[in-house]
Amino acid sequence: DAGVIQSPRHEVTEMGQEVTLRCKPISGHDYLFWYRQTMMRGLELLIYFNNNVPIDDSGMPEDRFSAKMPNASFSTLKIQPSEPRDSAVYFCASSPTRGQQNSPLHFGNGTRLTVT
Amino acid sequence: GEDVEQSLFLSVREGDSSVINCTYTDSSSTYLYWYKQEPGAGLQLLTYIFSNMDMKQDQRLTVLLNKKDKHLSLRIADTQTGDSAIYFCAEIHSSASKIIFGSGTRLSIRP
Repeated sequence: DAGVIQSPRHEVTEMGQEVTLRCKPISGHDYLFWYRQTMMRGLELLIYFNNNVPIDDSGMPEDRFSAKMPNASFSTLKIQPSEPRDSAVYFCASSPTRGQQNSPLHFGNGTRLTVT
Repeated sequence: GEDVEQSLFLSVREGDSSVINCTYTDSSSTYLYWYKQEPGAGLQLLTYIFSNMDMKQDQRLTVLLNKKDKHLSLRIADTQTGDSAIYFCAEIHSSASKIIFGSGTRLSIRP
């Protein structure tokens, strides 16, 4: 099991550019989560999917952010246009069941985004 | 509302015990978790406890839960340099599938 795979590991871009972050969840996991981590705000849930369907996107900060899950093995988080305040580490996580219980979230290693 | 609170920093001497504390607000939380984040990596589940338990022990880790006070703690016995990390307390929000994380406690070990 390769775990949750995120790409790229690091992304540096200029303000105004489009940024696409990618995630491959663990095979068989029905839930996929996107989190953002910053020093100021800690770990924030942006959006989560169940069986490829977005369930709760209330954490998405603005319309500049969008997320898709076209199939069970792939998800993207897109920022267009990017701004310096979007600089953060973005984590993808997956889980096999609802409500976690003893099936914890499995996190990827994150994408560190820097917008200059 | 949803809120999980932790102190931001903890420094302990190598070999001593570390105690990381957490308070939460959702009294209907069914599961509470401790995650560990090492530099440059994602969070990994360390341990969890059911809300009907008071204590759980797993090798060097002891989790204590006080439901009345909504207080959770993680004790690491014989703290080693490899324990240096950020430790996150988390609860399942009762109305949804999502986990609510605390701000994380950065544990540093001094010789």
